[in-house]
Amino acid sequence: SYELTQPPSVSVSPGQTASITCSGDKLGDKNVSWYQQRPGQSPVLVIYQDKKRPSGIPERFSGSNSGNTATLTISGTQTMDEADYFCQALDSSTVVFGGGTKLTVL
Amino acid sequence: QLQLQESGPGLVKPSETLSLTCTASGGSISSSSYYWGWVRQPPGKGLEWVGSIYYAGSPYYNPSLKSRVTISVDTSKNQFSLKLRSVTAADTAVYYCARRAYSNGGWFDPWGQGTLVTVSS
Repeated sequence: SYELTQPPSVSVSPGQTASITCSGDKLGDKNVSWYQQRPGQSPVLVIYQDKKRPSGIPERFSGSNSGNTATLTISGTQTMDEADYFCQALDSSTVVFGGGTKLTVL
Repeated sequence: QLQLQESGPGLVKPSETLSLTCTASGGSISSSSYYWGWVRQPPGKGLEWVGSIYYAGSPYYNPSLKSRVTISVDTSKNQFSLKLRSVTAADTAVYYCARRAYSNGGWFDPWGQGTLVTVSS
């Protein structure tokens, strides 16, 4: 079965750039989505089709996908961005999620 | 704006069937542009896709759950439902319903608020 691998945790200082990776075999051939989940809340879509932002998502969120790795980048990270982040892709008709990355802003 | 709301028992006994319903408001389940899906999250863990269904087509299930899962749609009530049979403690999780895009990538947006289902005697 297809697997997506994320680092368990990433730390960043306020105002700096955070990068969260998601790795999978030939992931660049697939479309990747990213979700933000704050404690006690439902996931929220922040990036879809590798690099598109839904309405209402700040411009500091961006995405890229090439080769075996997709990356979610948060520029000018704010304390409110502290959350868990999950990547997601489709493998044929099967939905696959990465294990999630806890972003700490300190 | 579409809103989704999960409903169902919060406590299920081992070996019994978990049954949840997701009710959509502010949009139609019969849209040709979307699938409708269930995702679960065990306490303190990551997201796990359970399955998805198109309003007029066959459902798709997580291979690891396929033998125990049934997802169905009731367009007359603008609802879709999940049944998970022979549950164990490992099925304890927050269950989310969500709309899944039909387009390449199949992203989930929006999500319901989630409902915690505990499997315990």
